[in-house]
Amino acid sequence: NAGVTQTPKFQVLKTGQSMTLQCAQDMNHEYMSWYRQDPGMGLRLIHYSVGAGITDQGEVPNGYNVSRSTTEDFPLRLLSAAPSQTSVYFCASSLRRGANQPQHFGDGTRLSIL
Amino acid sequence: GQSLEQPSEVTAVEGAIVQINCTYQTSGFYGLSWYQQHDGGAPTFLSYNGLDGLEETGRFSSFLSRSDSYGYLLLQELQMKDSASYFCAVRDRNYGQNFVFGPGTRLSVLP
Repeated sequence: NAGVTQTPKFQVLKTGQSMTLQCAQDMNHEYMSWYRQDPGMGLRLIHYSVGAGITDQGEVPNGYNVSRSTTEDFPLRLLSAAPSQTSVYFCASSLRRGANQPQHFGDGTRLSIL
Repeated sequence: GQSLEQPSEVTAVEGAIVQINCTYQTSGFYGLSWYQQHDGGAPTFLSYNGLDGLEETGRFSSFLSRSDSYGYLLLQELQMKDSASYFCAVRDRNYGQNFVFGPGTRLSVLP
């Protein structure tokens, strides 16, 4: 009964480095999303996917790429890390993109860019 | 565009009732959800309102008035463990039918 699993939990990068944040869910959910959370700003949507092979941009997509080759996995790639990308990143999933569908969140990845 | 407003902080004592308000501005409103997040933790779903009125789930209730673009979360019989941040989130058809989250309200429950 894992739910949504994110790895790593913590990461420190240098400016210009790239990395992939992993997200996996075992609930057969169609809808998956990535958010970043900065102090006092709530959660902002980076990218989302309504099913395998389908992705789209959210509110703050610049500097990030995603792919969805399977229903279970939705990795987030930072192409060239910048200090402005220091944040806590949450992956979430729901059965569908329905208004009444609760989103299940992973425990987050705390990312620092030096 | 889309904007949501919540009070930044609310303080109450154990056993009391507290109301956390959320106002939103969008022409593409679908529904309002509430999430709880403890410090260092992940957001967890509390409630959803798609139609006007009150939804009750145990000690928590949520209310929506679409004509006023307003909702609130009501927490009764407050417990110390209710100290957390609470976020309202609006599903917006102008936003790809995705959710837009408010800035959050930090609730402190005092003994």
